[in-house]
Amino acid sequence: SYELTQPLSVSVALGQTARITCGGNNIGSKNVHWYQQKPGQAPVLAIYRDSNRPSGIPERFSGSNSGNTATLTISRAQAGDEADYYCQVWDSNTGVFGGGTKLTVL
Amino acid sequence: EVQLVESGGGLVQPGGSLRLSCTASGFTFNSYWMSWVRQAPGKGLEWVAKIKQDGSEKYYVDSVKGRFTISRDNAKNSLYLQMNSLRVEDTAMYYCAREEWLHPGAFDIWGQGTMVTVSS
Repeated sequence: SYELTQPLSVSVALGQTARITCGGNNIGSKNVHWYQQKPGQAPVLAIYRDSNRPSGIPERFSGSNSGNTATLTISRAQAGDEADYYCQVWDSNTGVFGGGTKLTVL
Repeated sequence: EVQLVESGGGLVQPGGSLRLSCTASGFTFNSYWMSWVRQAPGKGLEWVAKIKQDGSEKYYVDSVKGRFTISRDNAKNSLYLQMNSLRVEDTAMYYCAREEWLHPGAFDIWGQGTMVTVSS
């Protein structure tokens, strides 16, 4: 079965750039989606199909995907960006999530 | 307003059954694939099952195959998850989620979740 690997945690200084990676075998050939989940809340779609932002998501959020790694980049990080972030792909009609990354803004 | 509202969660003993419901509003329900996604306490997200617009195709994660059944009633704008032979490890918050128009796609709308606790 297909697996996605994310770092457990990432820390970023206020106003700096955070990068959260999602590793998978030839993930560059798949569409990667990213979700933000704050404590006690349902997930929210942050990036879809590698690099597209839904309405309401700040331009500070961007994504890329190539080779064996997809990356969610958060520029000018704010305290409100603290959350868990999950990557997700489809593999033969099966949904696969990464284990999630806790982003801490220092 | 586009919205998904889950219900039906609760406490059930191992081996028991539960039926979850998800009611959609604010969009054309029968135009979208729908999924159930769960999250065990303190853990990450796990996709559970999905169903095509007309119910003709259904897919499940291996751990629930043969125990869970996803279904929908487009006349009632509702999605269901029948859960049988429940195990302690099925304890989780269960979310229903809409898949964006481009299939297979991202989950662009999520409900607030309903909690299922399997315990004796």
